[in-house]
Parts: sequence; structure tokens; C-alpha cells
Amino acid sequence: SQTIHQWPATLVQPVGSPLSLECTVEGTSNPNLYWYRQAAGRGLQLLFYSVGIGQISSEVPQNLSASRPQDRQFILSSKKLLLSDSGFYLCAWSVRRPPYQPQHFGDGTRLSIL
Amino acid sequence: EDQVTQSPEALRLQEGESSSLNCSYTVSGLRGLFWYRQDPGKGPEFLFTLYSAGEEKEKERLKATLTKKESFLHITAPKPEDSATYLCAVQAGVTGGGNKLTFGTGTQLKVEL
Repeated sequence: SQTIHQWPATLVQPVGSPLSLECTVEGTSNPNLYWYRQAAGRGLQLLFYSVGIGQISSEVPQNLSASRPQDRQFILSSKKLLLSDSGFYLCAWSVRRPPYQPQHFGDGTRLSIL
Repeated sequence: EDQVTQSPEALRLQEGESSSLNCSYTVSGLRGLFWYRQDPGKGPEFLFTLYSAGEEKEKERLKATLTKKESFLHITAPKPEDSATYLCAVQAGVTGGGNKLTFGTGTQLKVEL
């Protein structure tokens, strides 16, 4: 069966510090990978998605970037965090074929910026 | 632009009191509608996919239905463990290979004894 891992579960960082959140998927090959941010009381906002190694699409201009160095690894980064980067970050995967399949989520990282 | 609206924002039920959650959508060519359950501090858990109007899916006390404009999540005789936020999402049109979803803001359900 497929599993998705995100770490860390909780992170407290000062403004201006760098960020690296990692997500890995097991039990599947060539998945689509996604990064979302969820603000309190709001829906999930898609930040980045990837259909393959080195292929990143950005949905929202922001202070963050994403990379996919391996097939089942997705990394969310920032060089200098802003207060507005606080939130709940979720990684998800889906099969690439057939299309129109559900996404499956990790348990998220709660990021607080001080 | 694809839009998903969920109502009510919050719902409080007594154990055994059946009800329905609504998900209205505006999309250019629906390819799939997805229901998720999210517990506090956790990622969303996939429940159902509906692909065409008239389709229904069931799982334990939950039943999801789909029309051309909206979907309902019916909860029959709910228990306290059904308390969670229920999210609806749509996948529409040509996604460019990304299979992207547009999410609603969810319905927060609390079931009391």
C-alpha cells in the first residue's frame, strides 16, 4: 500500500530564517506531487505541483519554492521566512494515470513564524 | 474560474440526528468531485469520488450524491466519532497533467451525545 510521510510535524522559526519541509511517498512510482497551505478556517490553497523529477509548477506567487530531486521526494523551501508564511502545510500525491483520481494527503507541518 | 461553496460552515447534531452537508460548484467541465474528512491537526482523508450526475457512493453512515450543480454528503444516525471537518473538491476541464483540485472551505461537524 502507498504511504506519504511529512516532517517535521511542528516547526517554530524566526522571521528571516530559511525553511525546508520534506515529503516522501512510498509504494508508488511516478506520482503527481502537491504542496498546499491551509489557513485557519479556510480551504486548501495549492502552492506547487509536480508531474515529474525537476518539473515544478507554481500556482501562487510567493516567498516559497519547491523542488523534486527524486521521483517520490518533494521539498518546500524558503530563503527568508515572512510572518505571513505561518500556516499548516500539506503534501499530497496522486497517480498520474488514469486522470481524475483523488489526491492523498500527509499529516501536515504546522509552521509558526515568530 | 472554478468555484466550490460548502454549507453550512458549521453544524452541530445530536447523536442519531441525520442531516446533509451541501457542496455547490461552478466549473467548466466537471471531471470528478471528491469528498474528504479532516480531523484537527491532520491531513484530509479521502472518502469518495463522484464522476457523473446521478452517481451515489456509500460508506458506513455516509452517503454522497451528485447533481449537475451540487453534491450532498448525507450522514445517517451520526456518532460522536463522525465529528470532523468535511471538505469537498472538484477537478475540472483539462488540468495539464496535474490533476489539480479546487477545494471548498469545509463544513465543521460536531456530533454530541
